[in-house]
Amino acid sequence: ETGVTQTPRHLVMGMTNKKSLKCEQHLGHNAMYWYKQSAKKPLELMFVYSLEERVENNSVPSRFSPECPNSSHLFLHLHTLQPEDSALYLCASSQTSGRLNNEQFFGPGTRLTVL
Amino acid sequence: AQSVAQPEDQVNVAEGNPLTVKCTYSVSGNPYLFWYVQYPNRGLQFLLKYITGDNLVKGSYGFEAEFNKSQTSFHLKKPSALVSDSALYFCAVRDIRKASGTYKYIFGTGTRLKVLA
Repeated sequence: ETGVTQTPRHLVMGMTNKKSLKCEQHLGHNAMYWYKQSAKKPLELMFVYSLEERVENNSVPSRFSPECPNSSHLFLHLHTLQPEDSALYLCASSQTSGRLNNEQFFGPGTRLTVL
Repeated sequence: AQSVAQPEDQVNVAEGNPLTVKCTYSVSGNPYLFWYVQYPNRGLQFLLKYITGDNLVKGSYGFEAEFNKSQTSFHLKKPSALVSDSALYFCAVRDIRKASGTYKYIFGTGTRLKVLA
């Protein structure tokens, strides 16, 4: 266990559904990340939150909406997705502090299938 | 821009043999390099990192990586492969520091390691 949990582990949804992915970290970290992992593609960084403030949004479509209510929780709200959004969505956390170069800790991911 | 490349989609090795998974990097300034492993249906797990110091970095599960500045490489190695090492391996480099204090990490496309019994 890495100290980062994600729910649900698997999600199947239609294009008109609204669902949310949840991530929780128990490591006391102050930065959280959403990544999209598709087959044979590099990990795509979607969003970065530092101290609960969004600091990066990598041109992600508005049908993906992140929320970080506190430093331990991160959500990804999904609305009117497309089949090409089917992928493994990974959450990660890290501690950012001055010059520390700390590695990221990843959750197990949510396998999303959009029908 | 910082980048990493993993030239091999898949590496096959017999159990007990040494293994190497290749990674090359392109950075401005000092490189901060990482290796992660992903087992089926799991997230990425940190294996090791190079920040500064010895060029040979030791990590989890008997893995090590050799930093070579002249060849801009950071290959992952293990002296004797196990079937349980079969997984997807990612090399990553830390990007420039953001004003927020966070860092972005650039990941390679991954190399699937298959260890044959």
